[in-house]
Amino acid sequence: DAGVTQSPTHLIKTRGQQVTLRCSPKSGHDTVSWYQQALGQGPQFIFQYYEEEERQRGNFPDRFSGHQFPNYSSELNVNALLLGDSALYLCASSSQKGVREQFFGPGTRLTVL
Amino acid sequence: AQSVTQLGSHVSVSEGALVLLRCNYSSSVPPYLFWYVQYPNQGLQLLLKYTSAATLVKGINGFEAEFKKSETSFHLTKPSAHMSDAAEYFCAVMPGGYQKVTFGTGTKLQVIP
Repeated sequence: DAGVTQSPTHLIKTRGQQVTLRCSPKSGHDTVSWYQQALGQGPQFIFQYYEEEERQRGNFPDRFSGHQFPNYSSELNVNALLLGDSALYLCASSSQKGVREQFFGPGTRLTVL
Repeated sequence: AQSVTQLGSHVSVSEGALVLLRCNYSSSVPPYLFWYVQYPNQGLQLLLKYTSAATLVKGINGFEAEFKKSETSFHLTKPSAHMSDAAEYFCAVMPGGYQKVTFGTGTKLQVIP
């Protein structure tokens, strides 16, 4: 089992650009959540996808959007990048069955210049 | 709404000494509680979880945590610190039945030889 995988590992963009981050969940998981972790902070919940729909959303602007595919993988899109979007973006997968604990990927480090 | 407070952003212990990392939570419903560890430039690894079964929870790497409802606490302990325990630790709460996880701000553990 490869666990949760994310791509790319690192990304450098300039202000105003758009970025897409990708996540493949752990085998057997059907739910994907995205988090933003700024330097020195705890992860902040962005949104969660299940059955290809956004189920819950944190306090993030509409510039942050996502998608879940039929194979449960997911994308996070951020438009009109700001310097403050620089962070580690973490994907977590879980199952709707049982305790639903979340397993995290290694993250994508986004730097906005 | 749920929240997590981790007391002490930095904790230093000597190798072989007791590790105690504090976590207090608030939740409007009986929660699930988690401790995660994060090594530099990596994602989060689940250490242990409380899911309303036994109040004393044992996790990986010799860590354990005790759920105390009266104190709304879920402190993490390890009897004897090892150099490899140096990392950042996050306490997290998930209201039972939902999957929006709220993280604390983290505690960086330094282990002194």
